[in-house]
Amino acid sequence: AQSVTQLGSHVSVSEGALVLLRCNYSSSVPPYLFWYVQYPNQGLQLLLKYTSAATLVKGINGFEAEFKKSETSFHLTKPSAHMSDAAEYFCAVSLTPLFSGGYNKLIFGAGTRLAVHP
Amino acid sequence: NAGVTQTPKFRVLKTGQSMTLLCAQDMNHEYMYWYRQDPGMGLRLIHYSVGEGTTAKGEVPDGYNVSRLKKQNFLLGLESAAPSQTSVYFCASRKRVTTPQSYNEQFFGPGTRLTVL
Repeated sequence: AQSVTQLGSHVSVSEGALVLLRCNYSSSVPPYLFWYVQYPNQGLQLLLKYTSAATLVKGINGFEAEFKKSETSFHLTKPSAHMSDAAEYFCAVSLTPLFSGGYNKLIFGAGTRLAVHP
Repeated sequence: NAGVTQTPKFRVLKTGQSMTLLCAQDMNHEYMYWYRQDPGMGLRLIHYSVGEGTTAKGEVPDGYNVSRLKKQNFLLGLESAAPSQTSVYFCASRKRVTTPQSYNEQFFGPGTRLTVL
């Protein structure tokens, strides 16, 4: 079975500081990995995805994540936080289509709420 | 394109009442999903559909029913609402993958906030 663990339900950083949101996954077969962002009272928006190409993945709004198979991690980073980055972030895992019959069901972590203060 | 839309945005029910949540997408996607979002638990899959006329259970299907009579619509029904079904419900849709290694993004609606008293 697959699972996702996000370390830290709340993270607070200063504007301009490094953002690091942690995600560890469990999967017995090659996974696809995702980070989604949810702004207040909105739906989820895809930030970036890893689908077995480059291990360092760049997404929107200056975010990036690195897939580390040996550590079963997919941590999200941004060099310099902006006030507009305050939101909830979800890491998710999906089986590759080869193993999922093409259904690509997503398993989500519990989420990390990022606060950015001046 | 409106993308994925959900109706209603908010609803308050009394225990035992029934209601239907409507999800509509105008992207001609084959796959559609219903999730619920609860604090500290992320999103959990309730039911999904891989095409018109087909549905399947997800992680937490109990107390819900779904129907996909038209490709663009996916309905989520609560026959007898319970306080445990107080949640935010999200619908998502995705295009079918066409090659073994491809992946197509799930697009999410804005959510329906349901309170059951």
